[in-house]
Amino acid sequence: GESVGLHLPTLSVQEGDNSIINCAYSNSASDYFIWYKQESGKGPQFIIDIRSNMDKRQGQRVTVLLNKTVKHLSLQIAATQPGDSAVYFCAEILTYSGNTPLVFGKGTRLSVIA
Amino acid sequence: NAGVTQTPKFRVLKTGQSMTLLCAQDMNHEYMYWYRQDPGMGLRLIHYSVGEGTTAKGEVPDGYNVSRLKKQNFLLGLESAAPSQTSVYFCASSQRWTGQANTGELFFGEGSRLTVL
Repeated sequence: GESVGLHLPTLSVQEGDNSIINCAYSNSASDYFIWYKQESGKGPQFIIDIRSNMDKRQGQRVTVLLNKTVKHLSLQIAATQPGDSAVYFCAEILTYSGNTPLVFGKGTRLSVIA
Repeated sequence: NAGVTQTPKFRVLKTGQSMTLLCAQDMNHEYMYWYRQDPGMGLRLIHYSVGEGTTAKGEVPDGYNVSRLKKQNFLLGLESAAPSQTSVYFCASSQRWTGQANTGELFFGEGSRLTVL
């Protein structure tokens, strides 16, 4: 079965507030994680990644947190904007070999309320 | 820079018909992938390729065949379409991993919506 999952399938956030999207993984051997954003009618786009030797990584308005103890990943979006409305997927690679494809979670739909 | 291009973008088939989806990338990527996306199921890997002339099965390969005769192209074939293959199909490509020198980022096409009646 799928080892990557999400706690919430939908999330509604007021514009300007911070968003937190969660993801759980079951394979402790996973050593690389990526967050993707998919807007309606488009393919997924890379947001940010993190390796298992890190706990936190920051990008522009986004932060990914990794808690290996409880096998939990989260994506934080600061000052959420209408353009952030999309489906967000976490994905994992089970081994850092380059030959193992990404395994995607089911996704969380983020709706930004103006 | 076109990135990853999929054709066709839309197609309607009758049960039992065959068709081929074409994926082309102009980034000189080694790895290419075909995913299908169904409501509530996320992205599931059908087949992938780690280089020209190679293919491998993913999570849901049954009913599909692929070929990678040229590095820039990855074809997905349905020999006898079934209604269960109604889905949105995404092609993606990525660089060959060299450890810390690059990320595992996949570059996706815009998707091909297939309906099988």
